[in-house]
Amino acid sequence: KAGVTQTPRYLIKTRGQQVTLSCSPISGHRSVSWYQQTPGQGLQFLFEYFSETQRNKGNFPGRFSGRQFSNSRSEMNVSTLELGDSALYLCASSLEGGETQYFGPGTRLLVL
Amino acid sequence: GNSVTQMEGPVTLSEEAFLTINCTYTATGYPSLFWYVQYPGEGLQLLLKATKADDKGSNKGFEATYRKETTSFHLEKGSVQVSDSAVYFCALRAYNNNDMRFGAGTRLTVKP
Repeated sequence: KAGVTQTPRYLIKTRGQQVTLSCSPISGHRSVSWYQQTPGQGLQFLFEYFSETQRNKGNFPGRFSGRQFSNSRSEMNVSTLELGDSALYLCASSLEGGETQYFGPGTRLLVL
Repeated sequence: GNSVTQMEGPVTLSEEAFLTINCTYTATGYPSLFWYVQYPGEGLQLLLKATKADDKGSNKGFEATYRKETTSFHLEKGSVQVSDSAVYFCALRAYNNNDMRFGAGTRLTVKP
């Protein structure tokens, strides 16, 4: 079975721009979660989608948003980028709530 | 709220040395506990997990036992190899909730 895939792997943007990251979960997995990883804050939960609905949300500003499609693929969007948004963004999928999460390789975003 | 505290590194060991990385947690109810490993430039890989008290997770020579009385889930390996060099994350997930909480990560370097 193919693992979780994320595109693009690397991205460079400038302050004020917006960005969209994509995540394709493992086939059959319906839950997709997003995390931000930075050296200073570590791994922080952004949000989780299940069956196209946001089920959980972390403590991030409204500039961070996401959605999930009927095929379980998910996108996250960050608007009005700030320097502090530079991070590795990880996507994880699981069958549904209460199951083990499997992570993708991440998208490394650099904001200049 | 739920949280994880793990031994911060870096940890440097010689090949074939014994490894222990301490992890303690705070949570209500009965969370599931995980160890993930992150190799340079990659996402997180599930190393092992335990879902109830006294369960022992094991994989690739690594072991961890879910100790409810001490709220701990310490990672151990009897003989480390150079290829074990990576960052190790302890994590918990409350029952039926995909909001994972991660420790700060412990960087392990194994020297030949």
